[in-house]
Order: sequence, then C-alpha cells, then structure tokens
Amino acid sequence: GAVVSQHPSRVICKSGTSVKIECRSLDFQATTMFWYRQFPKQSLMLMATSNEGSKATYEQGVEKDKFLINHASLTLSTLTVTSAHPEDSSFYICSAQSSMNTEAFFGQGTRLTVV
Amino acid sequence: DAKTTQPPSMDCAEGRAANLPCNHSTISGNEYVYWYRQIHSQGPQYIIHGLKNNETNEMASLIITEDRKSSTLILPHATLRDTAVYYCIVTLSGSRLTFGEGTQLTVNP
Repeated sequence: GAVVSQHPSRVICKSGTSVKIECRSLDFQATTMFWYRQFPKQSLMLMATSNEGSKATYEQGVEKDKFLINHASLTLSTLTVTSAHPEDSSFYICSAQSSMNTEAFFGQGTRLTVV
Repeated sequence: DAKTTQPPSMDCAEGRAANLPCNHSTISGNEYVYWYRQIHSQGPQYIIHGLKNNETNEMASLIITEDRKSSTLILPHATLRDTAVYYCIVTLSGSRLTFGEGTQLTVNP
C-alpha cells in the first residue's frame, strides 16, 4: 500500500508550549488528509479533515484555534498543538487519501506527552 | 455513515483461519465496507474493502452477504503478528472513516 510518514513518532513538551506534527504522503499526492486523536484504551476520534489548499474542517468539539492544521501541498499536512496542556497528551494519527484511491492510508502516529 | 457492530474480542489459534464478523444492517447502496487493523501503538493499517462482490488480496478475503447487511473478514492462516484490533467501517468511497470499538483479535500459539 501507499506510504504515509508521520514525524515525530513521540514528543515530550512542557505545558504551555506548542508542538508541530508533520504528515507526509511519500509516494502519492494526498488531496485529503485526516487527523485523529486516540486516548488510551479508546478508539480513534476524528479531529479534522483538510483538503489541499483549503481550510480544514473541524469536528464538533475540536478547537480550531488550538489545533492548527495546514495542508499547503499535496504531500504535506501539519498539525500544531498550541499552548499544550497535560490533557492534550494523546496519540495523534494522520491519514492521507488521493483522488485516485478509495482507501486512506495512515501514518505511524505521534505519541504526545505534555508535562 | 452506517453503523457497524462487531464482537469486542475473538481468539484464534495460530495457523488457523480467523473469521471476523461485522453487521451493518443500515448500509446504503453506495457505501463501501472497509477493514483496517491497528496493532498496539501503531497507526491503522488498511486491509481490504468492497462494495458488493467478495474481494481477496494478499492479506485477507472479504465476504459480503448478498443483502450487504453483514460481512466477514477472513485471515486464512493467522499468525501471532495478526494480533490486533480490527475495525469494520462502512462509508462512502473517499469519505472520512469513523472508527468504532472494533474487535480485538488475539492469535494464540
């Protein structure tokens, strides 16, 4: 299947700082990228959908000013967690989809710990 | 998206076939059945998807009933590395994926 790379795989940051997570589609052009969050022992929860060159669409209850999403190119989307707090500690996962395929492919996830 | 129902957990012996069921009685005519799996602390991995016909690839087979209200994912020869949470998702082609609780498959030696 197609390859989606997410970086970093894990990050520890201090409360109040911002963290940027990158999601890259390595061998295809991702017209749409999705960002998920997963808390321990829970399923994935969709946070937002981003289309290249457009503003992201956020799910209900997800603060767009706190979770900044940029999808400026067909191979890169970034999620910035601003003013992180311990409750933002979670596993963040991106997925990417091209206009040619019906399936989405996922990155390996980023474990964020806010201390 | 149509709701799916999966058993919370299943066990399978190594080398045997693992058959994972999924009910999706409210599926609409143009919705696909997708299967993904998530091994602990990793991102989900795409397995297979189908609309009406049965599908097979190098990982698994997907059997969809004629009325499309249920499906079964078959791993023909399960290995220990197939231990994971398996998600059955019904959605329109290219649409976002809504994850339920999935089935925790444990393959035992």
